[in-house]
Amino acid sequence: DAKTTQPNSMESNEEEPVHLPCNHSTISGTDYIHWYRQLPSQGPEYVIHGLTSNVNNRMASLAIAEDRKSSTLILHRATLRDAAVYYCILRDVAQGGKLIFGQGTELSVKP
Amino acid sequence: DTGVSQDPRHKITKRGQNVTFRCDPISEHNRLYWYRQTLGQGPEFLTYFQNEAQLEKSRLLSDRFSAERPKGSFSTLEIQRTEQGDSAMYLCASSLAESGRRTGELFFGEGSRLTVL
Repeated sequence: DAKTTQPNSMESNEEEPVHLPCNHSTISGTDYIHWYRQLPSQGPEYVIHGLTSNVNNRMASLAIAEDRKSSTLILHRATLRDAAVYYCILRDVAQGGKLIFGQGTELSVKP
Repeated sequence: DTGVSQDPRHKITKRGQNVTFRCDPISEHNRLYWYRQTLGQGPEFLTYFQNEAQLEKSRLLSDRFSAERPKGSFSTLEIQRTEQGDSAMYLCASSLAESGRRTGELFFGEGSRLTVL
């Protein structure tokens, strides 16, 4: 399975933008880039995904590098409820669609 | 609530006992996944089903672990002769896979926490 590299932890101030980086230099052409997050004491939840183009949804934006070897999850205005572990995952739907989680980035948000 | 539900939420057992966890996926979802998560780590994939067929098992799934999805709806994960190392959160997720289309996002339950004494 293709792997991703993320910082172990990041800090943000409330109401400021947050940029969570992810490196995936071994990405293949059929890999989608997915982001999930896990709030304390909960199961992971879907945030966003993309293949080549940048993507926006109500939760976040995903910026994908032109060579697809890195991506950035952008939270436009962090709130205290955004404090969670954020996982960047490469997902090959030809492999049953399963997600292989890494360590993720633990985001803390300061008021 | 129409999300993924898991039961029980917490289970404390003595080493050597058998335990069973149940997962009820979102009703129209044909894929069901089991994961295990220990403190400070990301979830580890265990196995997944498409309808009632178990299509993949991780090497993490030892002979003491068995999962079933008999009618393609709910699933059970049984651990026999539990060991202290089995203490973890067991997460279930479901998704919709449609022929010729990309598999949808995974929806996770809140997990079943197992403590083996």
